[in-house]
Order: sequence, then C-alpha cells, then structure tokens
Amino acid sequence: GAGVSQSPSNKVTEKGKDVELRCDPISGHTALYWYRQSLGQGLEFLIYFQGNSAPDKSGLPSDRFSAERTGGSVSTLTIQRTQQEDSAVYLCASSLFSVLNRGRDGYTFGSGTRLTVV
Amino acid sequence: GIQVEQSPPDLILQEGANSTLRCNFSDSVNNLQWFHQNPWGQLINLFYIPSGTKQNGRLSATTVATERYSLLYISSSQTTDSGVYFCAVLGAGTASKLTFGTGTRLQVTL
Repeated sequence: GAGVSQSPSNKVTEKGKDVELRCDPISGHTALYWYRQSLGQGLEFLIYFQGNSAPDKSGLPSDRFSAERTGGSVSTLTIQRTQQEDSAVYLCASSLFSVLNRGRDGYTFGSGTRLTVV
Repeated sequence: GIQVEQSPPDLILQEGANSTLRCNFSDSVNNLQWFHQNPWGQLINLFYIPSGTKQNGRLSATTVATERYSLLYISSSQTTDSGVYFCAVLGAGTASKLTFGTGTRLQVTL
C-alpha cells in the first residue's frame, strides 16, 4: 500500500490476556521494525525483520513478547499474559534497508497501536 | 551502541519566530532522519539527511557528518509545528535499526 498500516489503532485489554498487533508495511519494503513508545518517552526498539527472518530481536523486553513476519510482508507482534507496564504505543516502520544499501533509505512509520492494559 | 543527544529538550516559541534544533551523535552514520511527532502521535518523516543540506518549505536541515551533528531549522513557526521532533540515526557499523534521540518538545503559541 501507499503507507504503513497498523491495526487495531487502539486496544484495551485485561491484565493477563494475550494481544496481537498487526503491521502491513509498504509494498516492496524488505525491512520491517517494531518500536514501542511509552507515555512521554522516546522510541524503544523491539525487533527488526529482513524478509521473514529476524536478525535482531534484542529489544524484546521479555519472553512474553514475540513477533513473526510472513510472505515478506505482514508482521504480527504478540504479547502474552499482558501486564500493565506493557501499556504503550506500538509503532511499526518499514524501509528498503539491505546489506547492499546499508540502510541508506528512509524509514516510514505507521500510525501505531495504542495498547492499554487494565 | 551509538548515542544520540538532542537539544534543547523543550522549546516554547511565539508564532512567527525561528528556531534551531540540534542533534549530536557519537559515531559515523549511514542514515540520519528527522521526524515530527504531532500531538496525535503520528511520526512524520521530515528529512532523510545523512550529510549535506536540504530544504522543504519553512524547514531545512544540515548534517555535518565529519563533526557528528545535525541541525533542524524551523523558520516563521506556526502553531501546527508544535509537537516533538526526533533525530534518529543508523550507525555505519553493523547496526540494523535506527536509534532515536530523546526528542525536542516544541510548543508554538499565538
């Protein structure tokens, strides 16, 4: 599509429930990134996909967090047994990053999913 | 990893004023972007500028890669410029993701 699409835009869930957040990157973008932004804070890196592989998942805060990407396109971020500290805006971005261009292309961000755990 | 510092952390301007935001980074970069996060949370890409100077309307940016800093200039500010401005860099090593600064929160008043 023309931009990065994320769904849902807002999600309220009860503590202990599992949630799935979806990201549709720009068509043709090989790289996909998940970031998290807590209220009033900067952006915290979670995971990076190149195609369907995740060469860098160093930012995932715990084993309750996982992500997958299929067909080199859509990605799903899953949070199991949600906790109140998981409340944040989860942002997805895509780019044409590759080893060849060494990241010399810009990122485009989606509008984010605002997750509230009550 | 690479460190990114932005200054000032907060800025209040009267409409029509000019401002300069600064981003310092600790290592060589392949990519540097300036983003504006509007009050609704949307991150808008302003400039992709690993080096040199670019202009887009009232905004311009300059990156001096050899001295490891970038500047974002806002001229004739408007209330719609309010929000948080982030600088983000991709290190020139094996880094695969943008590292963000902590941002400059700008408020433009009438």
